[in-house]
Amino acid sequence: GESVGLHLPTLSVQEGDNSIINCAYSNSASDYFIWYKQESGKGPQFIIDIRSNMDKRQGQRVTVLLNKTVKHLSLQIAATQPGDSAVYFCAEKKSSGDKLTFGTGTRLAVRP
Amino acid sequence: GAGVSQSPSNKVTEKGKDVELRCDPISGHTALYWYRQSLGQGLEFLIYFQGNSAPDKSGLPSDRFSAERTGGSVSTLTIQRTQQEDSAVYLCASSLGKPVSGNTIYFGEGSWLTVV
Repeated sequence: GESVGLHLPTLSVQEGDNSIINCAYSNSASDYFIWYKQESGKGPQFIIDIRSNMDKRQGQRVTVLLNKTVKHLSLQIAATQPGDSAVYFCAEKKSSGDKLTFGTGTRLAVRP
Repeated sequence: GAGVSQSPSNKVTEKGKDVELRCDPISGHTALYWYRQSLGQGLEFLIYFQGNSAPDKSGLPSDRFSAERTGGSVSTLTIQRTQQEDSAVYLCASSLGKPVSGNTIYFGEGSWLTVV
């Protein structure tokens, strides 16, 4: 049958608009979260991280929000640019170990 | 080098052959990870090395897969008797230490393995 994984969720935004990419994580014991950006044919690139004792962290044009109550993580990109087009992954780390578990990814498509 | 270096960047091998994939982490990084990414999929954890501690091998999919890290630096991932389902991108990553805020985990560009 067809693989769900080949059809990543896609977010299409107009250049200049803000983007919000969401991620539901699985483990309430996770204490560290990271967002990565992956362009076609390249390895994942670190964007921003957040510890579980925080609910918001800002970087350059990016903000990560963490809602531990509903186990939800979001990445906000301000003034989205064509160069932001990529697949975005969230990753979580359980407090009991060092392994990162990645989500399935969201494709961001920026319309000119 | 400035980043995580992986070789070969592309490898086509026949089913049943063994392959070795190499990772040179960033100098001074004690933590090293191997992940696998199939086409259009997320990243699947394989193995994690941290300093002199015993590696976390919990993600290796079968006993055909093994990895070592010599001298706390270079790592080699070996896949024996390759199968077509082993076709994927194998990604290596490294960080200064344990995965905490401030110890950014940097990925290499990956080794694309195709088993025919």
